[in-house]
Amino acid sequence: GNSVTQMEGPVTLSEEAFLTINCTYTATGYPSLFWYVQYPGEGLQLLLKATKADDKGSNKGFEATYRKETTSFHLEKGSVQVSDSAVYFCALPNSGGYQKVTFGIGTKLQVIP
Amino acid sequence: GAGVSQSPRYKVAKRGQDVALRCDPISGHVSLFWYQQALGQGPEFLTYFQNEAQLDKSGLPSDRFFAERPEGSVSTLKIQRTQQEDSAVYLCASSLLGREQYFGPGTRLTVT
Repeated sequence: GNSVTQMEGPVTLSEEAFLTINCTYTATGYPSLFWYVQYPGEGLQLLLKATKADDKGSNKGFEATYRKETTSFHLEKGSVQVSDSAVYFCALPNSGGYQKVTFGIGTKLQVIP
Repeated sequence: GAGVSQSPRYKVAKRGQDVALRCDPISGHVSLFWYQQALGQGPEFLTYFQNEAQLDKSGLPSDRFFAERPEGSVSTLKIQRTQQEDSAVYLCASSLLGREQYFGPGTRLTVT
């Protein structure tokens, strides 16, 4: 079955630092890949996605590139802000038509001023 | 409403009590999912509805868990005879068929 492995947190960074959160996956075929974000007190939101190999998803200054050869989808941001403090989940859908999603464990990011 | 809503937001139950958690999906969304998120973990799939049909209940951890969506809109997740290991956040998500899932804020269940 599908599985996702992502680095455990918490990750604490100073404002304007560079962020990388590693994610690798195991799946049958070539599924889409997602990053979700969960801000304190809020529901999960889709942050970005990539649907095929070498695609780059981007949103709000975050980027992730679908690397088939390394089965990875690392999340990066060049300059984090305090408002980026949240929990980030790497995820992939199943191959069925209704896209049941398998999530990683989540990485908590805290950005300090 | 504009998004997925869930109620109650917080629920405390004594061990052995039955609980019912409600999800109001986005209007017109055919697909509805329930996930369970234990503390410090990612969400784990429980069950899936397409309209009123429960097509996948492979993630339900025991026969104490039951979900329904009788009219293809609002859904209820019921947990009978709650146990401490049921303590978690229960997330509901809805989507158009095969499209992006929109999540509700979740219901935090604490079993004492």
